[in-house]
Amino acid sequence: KAGVTQTPRYLIKTRGQQVTLSCSPISGHRSVSWYQQTPGQGLQFLFEYFSETQRNKGNFPGRFSGRQFSNSRSEMNVSTLELGDSALYLCASRNRGTYLEQYFGPGTRLTVT
Amino acid sequence: AQSVAQPEDQVNVAEGNPLTVKCTYSVSGNPYLFWYVQYPNRGLQFLLKYITGDNLVKGSYGFEAEFNKSQTSFHLKKPSALVSDSALYFCAVRDMNAGSGNTPLVFGKGTRLSVIA
Repeated sequence: KAGVTQTPRYLIKTRGQQVTLSCSPISGHRSVSWYQQTPGQGLQFLFEYFSETQRNKGNFPGRFSGRQFSNSRSEMNVSTLELGDSALYLCASRNRGTYLEQYFGPGTRLTVT
Repeated sequence: AQSVAQPEDQVNVAEGNPLTVKCTYSVSGNPYLFWYVQYPNRGLQFLLKYITGDNLVKGSYGFEAEFNKSQTSFHLKKPSALVSDSALYFCAVRDMNAGSGNTPLVFGKGTRLSVIA
């Protein structure tokens, strides 16, 4: 089975721009979660989608949004980028079952200048 | 609310020696506990998990972890460290009793393990 894929892998944007990141989960996985990883804050939960519905949302401003499509692929969008949004954005998928582990993609490295 | 603490930012160990990476957790109900490892410029890789049953859990690459309910801990261990084990290790928890799974997986801040030859 192919793993979780994320595109693009690297991205450089300017303050004020917006960005869209994409995640394709492992085939058959219907849950997709997004995390922001920074050296200072560690891994912070952004949101989780299951069957196109947002199930959980972390403590991030409304500039961060996401969605999930019927094929379970997910996108996250960040509008009006700030320097502090520079981070590694990780996507993870799992099958239904809260006891199941998540499988992570390689991440998208976003740099805001 | 659930939380995870990894009290050590950095752990150094000599190759061939046993290693321990500490993790304590807080949940209102019973926990599902996980360990992940991250190598440079990579996503997180699943190592092992505790769901229920035997308190000693064995995982990938010779790692194991011991669940201790009274101390709310889930320390990661390996009998003999390898230089290739050097990486960033994350402990994570999900509250088993939070209903239909509508709670996120919460991660600790990570512990950097350095194995010295």
